[in-house]
Amino acid sequence: GQQVMQIPQYQHVQEGEDFTTYCNSSTTLSNIQWYKQRPGGHPVFLIQLVKSGEVKKQKRLTFQFGEAKKNSSLHITATQTTDVGTYFCAGLSGNTGKLIFGQGTTLQVKP
Amino acid sequence: KAGVTQTPRYLIKTRGQQVTLSCSPISGHRSVSWYQQTPGQGLQFLFEYFSETQRNKGNFPGRFSGRQFSNSRSEMNVSTLELGDSALYLCASSLAHSKNIQYFGAGTRLSVL
Repeated sequence: GQQVMQIPQYQHVQEGEDFTTYCNSSTTLSNIQWYKQRPGGHPVFLIQLVKSGEVKKQKRLTFQFGEAKKNSSLHITATQTTDVGTYFCAGLSGNTGKLIFGQGTTLQVKP
Repeated sequence: KAGVTQTPRYLIKTRGQQVTLSCSPISGHRSVSWYQQTPGQGLQFLFEYFSETQRNKGNFPGRFSGRQFSNSRSEMNVSTLELGDSALYLCASSLAHSKNIQYFGAGTRLSVL
């Protein structure tokens, strides 16, 4: 079945370092959403990308959607301890209409 | 506007029992999706309901079932519980479709002993 692979699974960084998580789909996506889940919390929507090659920024976070609409990335510049959590991508299949979540990348930030 | 409400928050059951979880979506949201979250497997899609009809289903055994009521509230049932069913069960509501933004509830933590 269709899969959305997300790497890395875990990332430990020193505060101030950059961080990137990558999402890859086996098939073309209609859109991709990103969510953040703080420890002990529930996923919270961050952003949605729809267009091929789209780039969106939210302060220190930069989101990209690949030209082929099969991959996406989230880059955090100069991480802070408040960035700690698990980041999930979720791709909407153009074929099935299902929203498929990646396994998530758990970010730890050392102060 | 109230968020997505899931009850109960915590549940302890024994193998073989059954359990029913409840989800009240955000007012005006008609789509409700259920997910199972475990440490090793991430967020696994269970099913999506819209206007009382199951619109999409994930790859879970028939022991997992759900329904949606006319007020968009949804319930999920798991029968003949197994140890491996221990997980955080998350409900998410959206306006009309899973392509819309998913608003998650706090989840129900189920422990099967």
